[in-house]
Amino acid sequence: QVQLVQSGAEVKRPGASVKVSCKTSGFTFTAYYIHWVRQAPGQGLEWMGRLSPKSGGTTTAQKFQGRVTLTRDTSIGTAYLELSGLTSDDTATYYCARRETYSFGYDYWGQGTLVTVSS
Amino acid sequence: AIQLTQSPSSLSASVGDRITISCRASQDIGSALAWYQQKPGKAPILLIYDASNLERGVPSRFSGSGSGTDFTLTITSLQPEDFASYYCQQFNTYPYDFGQGTKLDIK
Repeated sequence: QVQLVQSGAEVKRPGASVKVSCKTSGFTFTAYYIHWVRQAPGQGLEWMGRLSPKSGGTTTAQKFQGRVTLTRDTSIGTAYLELSGLTSDDTATYYCARRETYSFGYDYWGQGTLVTVSS
Repeated sequence: AIQLTQSPSSLSASVGDRITISCRASQDIGSALAWYQQKPGKAPILLIYDASNLERGVPSRFSGSGSGTDFTLTITSLQPEDFASYYCQQFNTYPYDFGQGTKLDIK
C-alpha cells in the first residue's frame, strides 16, 4: 500500500537548520510530485514547495526562497526538506504529500513531523 | 499570488444537517481546486479533487462544485465523524495556497 513515512519530531535552537525526511513506498517514486506543507499550532495549512523526484526540479514559495532546500534520493524513494535560519515562527508540523501529475489534489500524506524552535 | 477566501470561517451544525462551505478565488483557476478534511493532530484527507471529483473511499454525502472563481463543498446529512476543519487549495498557479479553513463543530 502507498505510504509516506516522515522522520521524527525535532527540537532546534533559533538560527539552526532542520532536515525532515519523507520515505515513500508502495508506488513508483519518480512518477509523482512530492509537495511540502506546514501548519503552525492552531493555524491553517501553508504550502512550502514541491519536488519532481524524476528530474530533481523544485519550486518553492517565495516566502521560503533562500531558506528551503528540497532534495531526494531516488535509490531509497525518499524526499527531504531542509529549512535553515530557524526562528520561533517556524515551529510547526511539516507534512509531505503526493500529487499525481494531472490531478489537482494530494491523495496521500505523511503523518507529519513536529519541528519546535526554542531557545 | 492567488488568494482563496473560504466562508464561513466557522460553522455550527447538527447531525443530519446539510451544510455548504464556499471557496472564492481571486482569479480564474478553472477546475484546479481540491478540498480536504482535517481532524486535530492528523494529516489532512483529500475529499474532492479537480473541483468536483470525489476521491475514492470518501462517502457520497460529500460533493464539490464550481469552476472559475467560485467553488462549494457540500455535505449532506452530517455524521458525527464529519465535525472537523475543511480547507480548499488551488493548483492553478504557484504558490499552491490554501484557504484559511472552516471549522465545523457540533451545535
